[in-house]
Amino acid sequence: DAGVIQSPRHEVTEMGQEVTLRCKPISGHDYLFWYRQTMMRGLELLIYFNNNVPIDDSGMPEDRFSAKMPNASFSTLKIQPSEPRDSAVYFCASSLAKRNSPLHFGNGTRLTVT
Amino acid sequence: AQSVTQLDSQVPVFEEAPVELRCNYSSSVSVYLFWYVQYPNQGLQLLLKYLSGSTLVKGINGFEAEFNKSQTSFHLRKPSVHISDTAEYFCAVSDDGNAGKSTFGDGTTLTVKP
Repeated sequence: DAGVIQSPRHEVTEMGQEVTLRCKPISGHDYLFWYRQTMMRGLELLIYFNNNVPIDDSGMPEDRFSAKMPNASFSTLKIQPSEPRDSAVYFCASSLAKRNSPLHFGNGTRLTVT
Repeated sequence: AQSVTQLDSQVPVFEEAPVELRCNYSSSVSVYLFWYVQYPNQGLQLLLKYLSGSTLVKGINGFEAEFNKSQTSFHLRKPSVHISDTAEYFCAVSDDGNAGKSTFGDGTTLTVKP
């Protein structure tokens, strides 16, 4: 099993540009989660999906952020337009639907907005 | 509402010494508790979890944690650390069985010195 795969590993962009982060969850997992990690706020849950359907997006900071999961093996997190305060490490994680199944995290995308 | 407090932001320790990383939580309902480890430039990975039953939980890499309901604590311990244990450690609490919706602590950086 290749684990959760995120791309790109690093992204540097200028303020105002569109940024798309990608995630491939572990095959067979039912849940997919997007997190943001910063020194100031720690690890924050942005949005999660169950069987490709968005369940809770209350953690999405602004309308500039959007996430999609068109099928069971792919999800995107888009920021448009990007701002310097969006600079962070973004993690994708997946898990089975079984109660208290552990999270499996990807290695993250380090986003720098200049 | 649930919350997690990791009492130490940094813990330096010498190799082969014992270590304890402290975690206190608050929750109004039954809790499920987790410890994760994050190595540099990687995502979080599960060390151990407490769901129910025995209050002493054993995890990977020789770590263990003890659930103490009266003190609302879930401290992580290892009797003898290695250089390779240098990492950031996160305590997390969930009250609904969905690990992905856990509230995470701010993390404790464990530095093992030779």
